[in-house]
Amino acid sequence: TQLLEQSPQFLSIQEGENLTVYCNSSSVFSSLQWYRQEPGEGPVLLVTVVTGGEVKKLKRLTFQFGDARKDSSLHITAAQTGDTGLYLCAGEAGFQKLVFGTGTRLLVSP
Amino acid sequence: NAGVTQTPKFQVLKTGQSMTLQCAQDMNHEYMSWYRQDPGMGLRLIHYSVGAGITDQGEVPNGYNVSRSTTEDFPLRLLSAAPSQTSVYFCASRDTVLQQYFGPGTRLTVL
Repeated sequence: TQLLEQSPQFLSIQEGENLTVYCNSSSVFSSLQWYRQEPGEGPVLLVTVVTGGEVKKLKRLTFQFGDARKDSSLHITAAQTGDTGLYLCAGEAGFQKLVFGTGTRLLVSP
Repeated sequence: NAGVTQTPKFQVLKTGQSMTLQCAQDMNHEYMSWYRQDPGMGLRLIHYSVGAGITDQGEVPNGYNVSRSTTEDFPLRLLSAAPSQTSVYFCASRDTVLQQYFGPGTRLTVL
């Protein structure tokens, strides 16, 4: 079974701070996705990274795929209260199958 | 364009009861899937379908059945509910470039 471990599990910060969330595995994935989920809703896709070493930026969010395609990170600059939510990584593990990480719950306070 | 819809939003069952969770999408996606989400465990794949008439098991299929008679609909059936099936269930559909869209979820409690 392929596992994706996310760290930290929970993060509570003040508005304006920077943070990084990690997604690690011993398995290689052909692509990796990051989702954000708000209470009572389904996850919403933020980004897909497919190439080892790839870096993608989405406004204040920076996503990186590890060179060996086993790990990824999400960095948020100057966090805002609207960034609050559950962040999930998911790796493509074979034909049409996604393996989800355990999640990082982020709380940004004003 | 409603995307992925799920009904009901909440459900309480007694042990041994059966029920069907409904899922529909209007994006003409071939690939659909069902996940359950439990605290500290992320989302786990229950069953998936790559097109009408084709279904396959995911990571945690026991206790659940699916069918796919049309492209739009992908219902999930619990034949005899157990407390271990208390969870939040998400249906998702995916386009050809791995862009996955999730429904709003069904929160199920089995007493």
